[in-house]
Amino acid sequence: KAGVTQTPRYLIKTRGQQVTLSCSPISGHRSVSWYQQTPGQGLQFLFEYFSETQRNKGNFPGRFSGRQFSNSRSEMNVSTLELGDSALYLCASSFKPALNNEQFFGPGTRLTVL
Amino acid sequence: AQSVTQLDSQVPVFEEAPVELRCNYSSSVSVYLFWYVQYPNQGLQLLLKYLSGSTLVKGINGFEAEFNKSQTSFHLRKPSVHISDTAEYFCAVSEGQAGTALIFGKGTTLSVSS
Repeated sequence: KAGVTQTPRYLIKTRGQQVTLSCSPISGHRSVSWYQQTPGQGLQFLFEYFSETQRNKGNFPGRFSGRQFSNSRSEMNVSTLELGDSALYLCASSFKPALNNEQFFGPGTRLTVL
Repeated sequence: AQSVTQLDSQVPVFEEAPVELRCNYSSSVSVYLFWYVQYPNQGLQLLLKYLSGSTLVKGINGFEAEFNKSQTSFHLRKPSVHISDTAEYFCAVSEGQAGTALIFGKGTTLSVSS
């Protein structure tokens, strides 16, 4: 079974631009979560989607948004990029959004903002 | 608010030596606990998880962890490490107050040398 895939793997943008990252969950998984990983703040939860609905959101500004499609694929968007948005963005999928469901992580998209 | 503290940011050990990576959490309710490993330029891989039952949990690659409710700890151990265990290790907790979001510690870099 294929794992979680994220595209693109690497991205370079300049301040003020916007970016869209994509995540395809494991087949059959309907829950997708996004995390931001930076050296300073570590791993932080962005949001979670299930059945095309945002179920949970972390403490990030409104510039960070996401959506989920009917095939469970998810995208996240960051508008008006800032230097501090440079990070590894990880997507994780699980069968359903239960507390004890294992989340399977993709390899991440490394975003560099210049 | 719940939090996870990984007491050591870096742990250097020699090959075949035992290792313990320490993790403490703060939560007043029942929690689910996880250890993930991250190899360079990769996503997170689940090592083991505690959901309920036996407090000693065995995972992949010879790792195990013990849940101690009174100490609010979930330390990771391996009796004999290999060079290939060099990676970053993250302790994480999920509980109802944050939905299904994983709250991560800052990570511990395990460096195994010969």
